[in-house]
Amino acid sequence: EAGVAQSPRYKIIEKRQSVAFWCNPISGHATLYWYQQILGQGPKLLIQFQNNGVVDDSQLPKDRFSAERLKGVDSTLKIQPAKLEDSAVYLCASSSTLGGSAGNTIYFGEGSWLTVV
Amino acid sequence: AQSVTQPDIHITVSEGASLELRCNYSYGATPYLFWYVQSPGQGLQLLLKYFSGDTLVQGIKGFEAEFKRSQSSFNLRKPSVHWSDAAEYFCAVGAGGYQKVTFGTGTKLQVIP
Repeated sequence: EAGVAQSPRYKIIEKRQSVAFWCNPISGHATLYWYQQILGQGPKLLIQFQNNGVVDDSQLPKDRFSAERLKGVDSTLKIQPAKLEDSAVYLCASSSTLGGSAGNTIYFGEGSWLTVV
Repeated sequence: AQSVTQPDIHITVSEGASLELRCNYSYGATPYLFWYVQSPGQGLQLLLKYFSGDTLVQGIKGFEAEFKRSQSSFNLRKPSVHWSDAAEYFCAVGAGGYQKVTFGTGTKLQVIP
């Protein structure tokens, strides 16, 4: 079974530029998550999708971050314009909802490393 | 809202010694609890999870964790640590119908020969 795929793995941009990250979840997984992990910290949930609908985006800085999951499969996370404090690893994850969402294992991709200079 | 506390930022153990990583959670009802491991430059891998039932949970790589409701804890243990266990360990709590998962700040494990 293929895992969660993310690209690009590494990106360096200047502040005020834009960047987009792509995620392809495990086939059949209805729930997709984007987490931000700043160096030395735990992952912080940015947005959670159930199919193509948003169920939680309370910690997404909506003035600069946006995410979409068209057709309920792939997802894109965009940052525009980027700030220095956006330097982090952006982790995409997915989980199945078979038998209900609760307690299902979340599978993570390897992350997209962003450096803003 | 739920929260997780991992009081130890960094732990050093000798290879072959036992290990216990602490995790305390805050949530009004019975939570779903997870331990993940992250090696440098990698994503997170699930070690084990508690959903219901037996409070002692066995995971991969010889790890186990015990859910103690009275102490709001879910500590991770391993009887004999191997050098390959050096990594960062994250405790997480899931709650709600759509399982919002909140992670702790992590404990970095160093294993010395």
